Formats: sequence, structure tokens, C-alpha cells
Amino acid sequence: AQSVAQPEDQVNVAEGNPLTVKCTYSVSGNPYLFWYVQYPNRGLQFLLKYITGDNLVKGSYGFEAEFNKSQTSFHLKKPSALVSDSALYFCAVRDQDSGTYKYIFGTGTRLKVLA
Amino acid sequence: EAGVAQSPRYKIIEKRQSVAFWCNPISGHATLYWYQQILGQGPKLLIQFQNNGVVDDSQLPKDRFSAERLKGVDSTLKIQPAKLEDSAVYLCASSRPMDGGYNEQFFGPGTRLTVL
Repeated sequence: AQSVAQPEDQVNVAEGNPLTVKCTYSVSGNPYLFWYVQYPNRGLQFLLKYITGDNLVKGSYGFEAEFNKSQTSFHLKKPSALVSDSALYFCAVRDQDSGTYKYIFGTGTRLKVLA
Repeated sequence: EAGVAQSPRYKIIEKRQSVAFWCNPISGHATLYWYQQILGQGPKLLIQFQNNGVVDDSQLPKDRFSAERLKGVDSTLKIQPAKLEDSAVYLCASSRPMDGGYNEQFFGPGTRLTVL
């Protein structure tokens, strides 16, 4: 069965420091991987995705993520955190070989950037 | 482009009452999704439409939940009767045609349902 794990409920980082939000996945076929961000009282916003090709993908607001097939991971990163990056981050996977293209979301990681 | 619209934004009902949520997707988006997001959890897919046909409703509690997407545009999700455990945020999302499933989804602001 497909699954996504976000092992950290919360990540705290000082403003200006690099940040990493972790995500690991399990699918039967090739994965499509996504990161979304959720601000309070708002819906999810797309950040970036990995479909194929270069393992390092760049997205919105200076975020990037690295796909690692051997470790089945897709960690979200940013070189220098901003206070405005504080939000709830969700990793999601789509199993492109299953035919349903259903998203499976992780439980979310709350990022807190301290000034 | 206009985003995904949802209404109402908030709803409070008593258990055993019924409630309906409305969603209007981004123009031209053939695929529409309803998710349930319980506090502290990630969104869970309830139902997925491609135009006005159901693609996946495997996690929809069909004894109390129903959804329709007449004319392949806007959609309604209904709960009848509601239970306490239905308290959650209901998110609607849409995406471009399901060509290989690589398109990202665009989410509405959600409807926060409280069942007392």
C-alpha cells in the first residue's frame, strides 16, 4: 500500500538558517511526489513536484527538494529561512502505476521560524 | 485566474442534522477532489471526479456521505446524518485533465464543520 511519512511533527529553525522538512514514501510503482504548504485558515498551496528527471527540483518561494530513490525520500529544503515561512507543510505521493492517481498525504510538519 | 471557490466557510450543526458544501473549481479543470482534513492530520481523499464521472470514492462513507458533480463543473458534498467525528475541514481541489496524474492540485479555502 502507498504511504507517506513525515517523521517530525514540528521543526524549529532560526531565521536565516537553512531548513529541512523530511518526507519518506512507499509506493509500488514510480512515485510522483509533491510538497504543499498550508497557512492558517487557508487551503493548501502547491510548492513543487518531482515527476522525473533531475533529482533536485526547485519550487516556489525559494524552496527546493531532493528526490532520493534509494532512500525513498523527498526532503524539502531552503537555504535561508524566513519568519514568513512558518506554516504547515505536507508531503504527498501519487502512484503513477496504479491508475487511480490518488494523492496520499503525510500528516504534516509544522515549521516555526524564529526571529 | 480565479481560484477554487467553496462555501460556506464555516458551519456548525447538531449531530444527526444534514449539511451540504459547495465547490466551484478553476475554469477548465476537469478533475475535482473532495478531501476531509481532521485536526492534526493530513487531508484524506473522499471522492475524485473526472468531469462528471466518479474516478475514486473508495474512502467515502457512503452510508452518510454523498457527492455529485452535475454538468462537470461545480460540485456538492452532503452529509446526512452528521456524526460528531465528521467535525473537520472539508477541502475541495481541482486540477487539469488527468493526463498521467502529474498535475498539481489547486485547493479552495475549505469549509470548517463543527458537529455538536
